[in-house]
Amino acid sequence: AQKVTQAQTEISVVEKEDVTLDCVYETRDTTYYLFWYKQPPSGELVFLIRRNSFDEQNEISGRYSWNFQKSTSSFNFTITASQVVDSAVYFCALSEAERDDKIIFGKGTRLHILP
Amino acid sequence: AAGVIQSPRHLIKEKRETATLKCYPIPRHDTVYWYQQGPGQDPQFLISFYEKMQSDKGSIPDRFSAQQFSDYHSELNMSSLELGDSALYFCASTYLGAGANVLTFGAGSRLTVL
Repeated sequence: AQKVTQAQTEISVVEKEDVTLDCVYETRDTTYYLFWYKQPPSGELVFLIRRNSFDEQNEISGRYSWNFQKSTSSFNFTITASQVVDSAVYFCALSEAERDDKIIFGKGTRLHILP
Repeated sequence: AAGVIQSPRHLIKEKRETATLKCYPIPRHDTVYWYQQGPGQDPQFLISFYEKMQSDKGSIPDRFSAQQFSDYHSELNMSSLELGDSALYFCASTYLGAGANVLTFGAGSRLTVL
């Protein structure tokens, strides 16, 4: 069965520090997609990234970077030089393409960036 | 670009009342998903529809029903509301024909049951 584990329930860092959010997943499929979503206090789900299981290349987008390692079933997310506006709940999620497209979310990590 | 539209954005109901949430997917999207997110929880999959037929079912209570109409919009009907139904309800849509596997989420409908 598919499962996403975000062991960090809540993290607090001081502004400008780097922070990494961990995500470990379980799936029996060989073809799957991994996602990160941001949920600010306003409540909407903001799509950040999608990676397919065949693309292990790390990705950088501005201050955000993602480290996908199939060997450890991890898809970690790093924010460099954090800002107060990064404060939100971040969800890692998984979709098994060989079944359907529904997304299964982890429990989320609440990130507090302190000024 | 058009997004997924959910209405109403906020809804307050009393226990045992009925509520209906609506979702208008992105034009040409053929698949709709409903998620429920309780306070401090992760979004939980409720149900999905592909081409107006139910395609998958998650942890949706028997008191809830949903359907997708000929114009591809979807409605989630919730009856005999309980306090525990207070949550943020998300709708998402995608076009399965493209195999893109990218869901676009609406802004959510916040239901409060008093």
